[in-house]
Amino acid sequence: DAGITQSPRHKVTETGTPVTLRCHQTENHRYMYWYRQDPGHGLRLIHYSYGVKDTDKGEVSDGYSVSRSKTEDFLLTLESATSSQTSVYFCAIRMGQGVEAFFGQGTRLTVV
Amino acid sequence: AQTVTQSQPEMSVQEAETVTLSCTYDTSESDYYLFWYKQPPSRQMILVIRQEAYKQQNATENRFSVNFQKAAKSFSLKISDSQLGDAAMYFCAYRSRGGSEKLVFGKGTKLTVNP
Repeated sequence: DAGITQSPRHKVTETGTPVTLRCHQTENHRYMYWYRQDPGHGLRLIHYSYGVKDTDKGEVSDGYSVSRSKTEDFLLTLESATSSQTSVYFCAIRMGQGVEAFFGQGTRLTVV
Repeated sequence: AQTVTQSQPEMSVQEAETVTLSCTYDTSESDYYLFWYKQPPSRQMILVIRQEAYKQQNATENRFSVNFQKAAKSFSLKISDSQLGDAAMYFCAYRSRGGSEKLVFGKGTKLTVNP
């Protein structure tokens, strides 16, 4: 266990509502990532952060925003959820260059 | 951009037998990492094995080994003495050295182990 917690673990929400997923780490890792996992696509990067208030887009960032106001928390926000955002979302953390990434247990989000 | 291809959506193996999962990738970089991750039904992503591109020696972790062919951009995973607990989705992943070091994943191979 690399001290990474995702919350909530499961969520059902309605189309058009805002949703925020939280990734919390306890070990001061610099790098944090949000991925989504869909059948037939593997995991795809949404956004990542390389420090407090330093974030950048991944390959599937449309419809998502992120914030990192403190080292331990990386928030993923769906401003207006759509059914295409139904997915399993994974947070990953990494201490520095060249070392392994650790994954959270995932959040299953269903948009109805 | 880098891409990772797993051409086998599903594979099956008999318990105690050996199975090989295929992975190819495309990159113009010379220095990078390659990984195999296991995802059991619990959904947890578990690192199985890692290979650094500048190392010619193939990585091995107990019953898991890889066949890394840099020129062919191939990175297959061999599981020896398969066990029921090996049943899972397996993802091949690529990571650049330096920069964001984000992971690029293949679409996965579902491995079934038959008793």
